[in-house]
Amino acid sequence: DVKVTQSSRYLVKRTGEKVFLECVQDMDHENMFWYRQDPGLGLRLIYFSYDVKMKEKGDIPEGYSVSREKKERFSLILESASTNQTSMYLCASSRGLTRPQETQYFGPGTRLLVL
Amino acid sequence: SQQGEEDPQALSIQEGENATMNCSYKTSINNLQWYRQNSGRGLVHLILIRSNEREKHSGRLRVTLDTSKKSSSLLITASRAADTASYFCATDSPLQGGSEKLVFGKGTKLTVNP
Repeated sequence: DVKVTQSSRYLVKRTGEKVFLECVQDMDHENMFWYRQDPGLGLRLIYFSYDVKMKEKGDIPEGYSVSREKKERFSLILESASTNQTSMYLCASSRGLTRPQETQYFGPGTRLLVL
Repeated sequence: SQQGEEDPQALSIQEGENATMNCSYKTSINNLQWYRQNSGRGLVHLILIRSNEREKHSGRLRVTLDTSKKSSSLLITASRAADTASYFCATDSPLQGGSEKLVFGKGTKLTVNP
């Protein structure tokens, strides 16, 4: 079974802090994704990566950056956390270099609260 | 951008009953997927149906796809309390640069009462 893990289930940070959210998958998947999920807005894609050191902006990349130094690890960085980044963050992965729209496997999520 | 929209937003049924959720989308697709999310957890893939398929089964799940109406339905038969979750449809959508992404609807919250 595919396993996608996220570094924290719950995180509390202060406004202005730099925040790192880590995601690791163990199935040698090419594609990795970061979403945020907010009530009434559903899942929105922040960034995704289809290869090591490659990244592509999603729908809401502002205020975020990502890093993919190794195939299995995809990090989401909030350079200066703000209260409007309080949300549930979900990481996902899928196989296939050219078909990111195929089945995605999700981690358990990180609930981030920015005070 | 195109988006799957689930209907109803919330559904409450008794154990043993069938649950039907619908998804409508706006533009042509390669495939449509359904996912389940238990409260406070990540999403779990349930089933994928391709644009050239009309119906697909997986255990107690039955998915239909009508590309002429741009709609899909998910039927859960003989529901159980453990089916209580939110259910999302997801369709593919082009991104800039030629790659594609999944676009998720806002979900149907299903409650199965014991």
